[in-house]
Amino acid sequence: DTEVTQTPKHLVMGMTNKKSLKCEQHMGHRAMYWYKQKAKKPPELMFVYSYEKLSINESVPSRFSPECPNSSLLNLHLHALQPEDSALYLCASSQRLGTLLHFGNGTRLTVT
Amino acid sequence: AQTVTQSQPEMSVQEAETVTLSCTYDTSENNYYLFWYKQPPSRQMILVIRQEAYKQQNATENRFSVNFQKAAKSFSLKISDSQLGDTAMYFCAFMRTNFGNEKLTFGTGTRLTIIP
Repeated sequence: DTEVTQTPKHLVMGMTNKKSLKCEQHMGHRAMYWYKQKAKKPPELMFVYSYEKLSINESVPSRFSPECPNSSLLNLHLHALQPEDSALYLCASSQRLGTLLHFGNGTRLTVT
Repeated sequence: AQTVTQSQPEMSVQEAETVTLSCTYDTSENNYYLFWYKQPPSRQMILVIRQEAYKQQNATENRFSVNFQKAAKSFSLKISDSQLGDTAMYFCAFMRTNFGNEKLTFGTGTRLTIIP
């Protein structure tokens, strides 16, 4: 069982929809991450939060908007996505930056 | 920028045999971590084994062991007595430990199939 919980497991959305992905951990970790993974490719880093503050934004388009409301919760708000944004979105957490990452099971997103 | 190279896109081996997955990396750093992650069809990235660059001793976790050659920048994974549950995508990954640069960089992956 994963200690990083992502919801929903699957999401289908139209290009005009607004949706959110949710990630939760209760391990007391203070760094949280969003990765995007296309089929048969490695995960690509999108955002990093450290102590609830955005630490790294890998030049991600503004249609992806991260939010870290508290140390246990990380959201990814989605708006006006494109079909090429269809991918597996992985959340991870670590005790702090530079320590071992624990991954969730991911959300499979399909944009129609 | 750091790069991680996995030169074997796919491998297959008979159950109970031993298989070695290769990984090389490029960095000018002296302090870093190396990891092997496994991603089965369930999608979760599962840590298999990790190695701290300052440790000369190769890491071992049950049937999994690494051959870490720091000078050659090589970090291969050996799976002994392979099992059907080992079928998965395996990613080699690198992380610097310098403050502010702790990104986890993945290789392109090796798809391993264990044949019954």
